[in-house]
Amino acid sequence: DQQVKQNSPSLSVQEGRISILNCDYTNSMFDYFLWYKKYPAEGPTFLISISSIKDKNEDGRFTVFLNKSAKHLSLHIVPSQPGDSAVYFCAASEMEYGNKLVFGAGTILRVKS
Amino acid sequence: EAQVTQNPRYLITVTGKKLTVTCSQNMNHEYMSWYRQDPGLGLRQIYYSMNVEVTDKGDVPEGYKVSRKEKRNFPLILESPSPNQTSLYFCASSPTTTGSDSPLHFGNGTRLTVT
Repeated sequence: DQQVKQNSPSLSVQEGRISILNCDYTNSMFDYFLWYKKYPAEGPTFLISISSIKDKNEDGRFTVFLNKSAKHLSLHIVPSQPGDSAVYFCAASEMEYGNKLVFGAGTILRVKS
Repeated sequence: EAQVTQNPRYLITVTGKKLTVTCSQNMNHEYMSWYRQDPGLGLRQIYYSMNVEVTDKGDVPEGYKVSRKEKRNFPLILESPSPNQTSLYFCASSPTTTGSDSPLHFGNGTRLTVT
């Protein structure tokens, strides 16, 4: 049973518009959440994170929102650029277990120019 | 350049033939881990190591072995590979075992096919 779910396998967005990637989790013990980006033939790279004591974290064009009551987080990319086209993985962990990350299945983002 | 290096990048083998996928990091990281990526399942942890000579099972350890004799190396060993181990494998490392300030750095992956 997957504890972290990304229900949209793919998303297509026009350049300059907002991309919203969603992630749901079932384990209420998760207290740290991350997004990784992956290009073909490369490993995932860390993008942005948020701890459960916050509901928003922003880094440039990337913002992650956390709704603990709904066990839902989302990644917003504004404005979207063609170079953002990649697979995005949501991941979660319990601080107590450090880097034992549980990953979602990923969402393929295509940004059209 | 700081990196996690996996070899080989691609490997095709037959059932039962022992193989090793090497992983090396040059960042003096304490924590290392192996993941496999399968369609629809994301990345699942196979084994992890918190330091030299300290290893533990992840979520899908069956059919795999690891060792951590040196800080920089963390090889993944398949003693008797089977077709269900056909997958994309990633090695990762981080400075410490606490995830909040030390996100994982991943290698570029090893595509393994077992026939």
